Amino acid sequence: GAVVSQHPSRVICKSGTSVKIECRSLDFQATTMFWYRQFPKQSLMLMATSNEGSKATYEQGVEKDKFLINHASLTLSTLTVTSAHPEDSSFYICSAPPGGRSTDTQYFGPGTRLTVL
Amino acid sequence: QQQVKQSPQSLIVQKGGISIINCAYENTAFDYFPWYQQFPGKGPALLIAIRPDVSEKKEGRFTISFNKSAKQFSLHIMDSQPGDSATYFCAGSIRGGFKTIFGAGTRLFVKA
Repeated sequence: GAVVSQHPSRVICKSGTSVKIECRSLDFQATTMFWYRQFPKQSLMLMATSNEGSKATYEQGVEKDKFLINHASLTLSTLTVTSAHPEDSSFYICSAPPGGRSTDTQYFGPGTRLTVL
Repeated sequence: QQQVKQSPQSLIVQKGGISIINCAYENTAFDYFPWYQQFPGKGPALLIAIRPDVSEKKEGRFTISFNKSAKQFSLHIMDSQPGDSATYFCAGSIRGGFKTIFGAGTRLFVKA
């Protein structure tokens, strides 16, 4: 099956700093990628849709200035958590549908555990 | 409108037993219903999925039953094994739209 990677797998940072998380599709091109946040023992909440070559689409309640998304190429999307605070500590997961919007299956990355001290 | 309700929140099953997880949806525009399996500290992995024009789909020990009129669907895990212990999420999405709405999740524990 298609492979999606994330880097780093874990990151610990101080409050007020910015953290960048990368999401890569390793064996397919992805014009669209999705970013989710998952708090402990909770479900996945869609944060934003990352579109190659255009601006990301954010879900209601997600601060676009705080969670910067850049879809630099057909295989890479990045999520930057700016001025991170302890409440941003969470498990961030990206996903991508191989082949573009015409398919249904999404492949998820392994996730990035962010801890803000 | 877009919510997917999932139950139970947690489930304990004896090895060899049947695990049953239920979901109900509200958005009749959903036309794709995947189930994902997630192990601690890992991303979700697609387990099995169904479209609403089919009432049942079976893959190995995993079966989805779908009731379109009731807007309900369920996952049955036959011959449950300790290795099946994980969190299971049902979801609904709209083909081409890609917004996948997840249920709250069910933490399954299979006792050896």
